[in-house]
Amino acid sequence: EAGVTQFPSHSVIEKGQTVTLRCDPISGHDNLYWYRRVMGKEIKFLLHFVKESKQDESGMPNNRFLAERTGGTYSTLKVQPAELEDSGVYFCASSPWTGRNEKLFFGSGTQLSVL
Amino acid sequence: AQSVTQLGSHVSVSEGALVLLRCNYSSSVPPYLFWYVQYPNQGLQLLLKYTSAATLVKGINGFEAEFKKSETSFHLTKPSAHMSDAAEYFCAVSDQGNQGGKLIFGQGTELSVKP
Repeated sequence: EAGVTQFPSHSVIEKGQTVTLRCDPISGHDNLYWYRRVMGKEIKFLLHFVKESKQDESGMPNNRFLAERTGGTYSTLKVQPAELEDSGVYFCASSPWTGRNEKLFFGSGTQLSVL
Repeated sequence: AQSVTQLGSHVSVSEGALVLLRCNYSSSVPPYLFWYVQYPNQGLQLLLKYTSAATLVKGINGFEAEFKKSETSFHLTKPSAHMSDAAEYFCAVSDQGNQGGKLIFGQGTELSVKP
């Protein structure tokens, strides 16, 4: 069974440019999460999809970030325009069910560097 | 609000020595607590979790953690470190409600194992 796949693994862009990160969850997993780790700090929740619907986007930092999950399969996270403080590692995770006993499967992350 | 504090951003032990990674939490409700590990160039992997069934939780790769309510702690231990344990370890608490995948992470502890 394929795991959670994220690409690109690394992205280097200039301030003001646009970047789109992609996450392919494990097939059949309705729940998809985005997390971010800014250098030296903790991993923080960004948002949660259930199928194609945004269940919780309380962690999205501002309106420069746009997440989509068309058709309830893969998800994209677009940053437009990128700022220096957006640099960090963006993780995606998926799970087959919700609830307090939920088990997350994480991708290996996208390292984003904004110069 | 819930929070997690990991004491020590870097821990170094000798091969064969005891591993102790510290985690303290704050939660107004009975917490669900997790330890995740990230090996280089990989995604986060669940080591173990506490869901109120037993205070001593055993995980993969010989790790275990003990939930101590009086100390609000969930420290991770392994009796004998192995070179392959070198990685970054994250303690996390599940947010309230049914969003089991919405985790609040500590800042991470990087474990080095010396030969």
